Amino acid sequence: EVQLVESGGGVIQPGGSLRLSCAASGFTVSSKYMNWVRQAPGKGLEWVSALYGGASTYYADSVKGRFIISRDTSKNTLYLQMNNLRADDTAVYYCATISGSYLDCWGQGTLVTVSS
Amino acid sequence: DIVLTQSPGTLSLSPGERATLSCRASQSISSSYLAWYQQKPGQAPRLLIYGASSRATGIPDRFSGSGSGTDFTLTITRLEPEDFAVYYCQQYGYSPTWTFGQGTKVEIK
Repeated sequence: EVQLVESGGGVIQPGGSLRLSCAASGFTVSSKYMNWVRQAPGKGLEWVSALYGGASTYYADSVKGRFIISRDTSKNTLYLQMNNLRADDTAVYYCATISGSYLDCWGQGTLVTVSS
Repeated sequence: DIVLTQSPGTLSLSPGERATLSCRASQSISSSYLAWYQQKPGQAPRLLIYGASSRATGIPDRFSGSGSGTDFTLTITRLEPEDFAVYYCQQYGYSPTWTFGQGTKVEIK
């Protein structure tokens, strides 16, 4: 069974950094394209970043230059390094697998709160 | 950038009724790149429909998708209690990017 489990969320001050993890089981992260999607409290879904193959990375304009997506195949884990965090980065962050043009498997999410 | 506009914002219906949700794109998109998701409170989104009209694995046949160009529809033929949730449409762009509509909440009347 394909499963994704996010961790690493918490409360962080503006300007701080946080690294989110997404542990995969039932498949290898090297075999799938993967995404991060976030959802601010009470709001809709916003795509954040995608990782294709080993080195092709893509970012929404709102996080470009501040966030870095990566993976560790030995740990079968996807990461999102978030730097220079702002209040409007406050959200539940989901990792999801990409199948063509849609997202077919989602983790349960991890909450990031940026507040002083 | 393509914008997806969903309507209505909220749909108040009773169990057993038919729900019709709309997703309109600001410019024409390929049907292959249009998907629908269901999200219940406190849960992650779940893929319902991909390619505008194909049901994802395990999705009941009361859910159907249709449309082309700029206008897409998600229909739930007979609402079950577990169908009351928020529904999002999503389109894929070539950059690549994924864009979501703002959601339609289907609530119990």
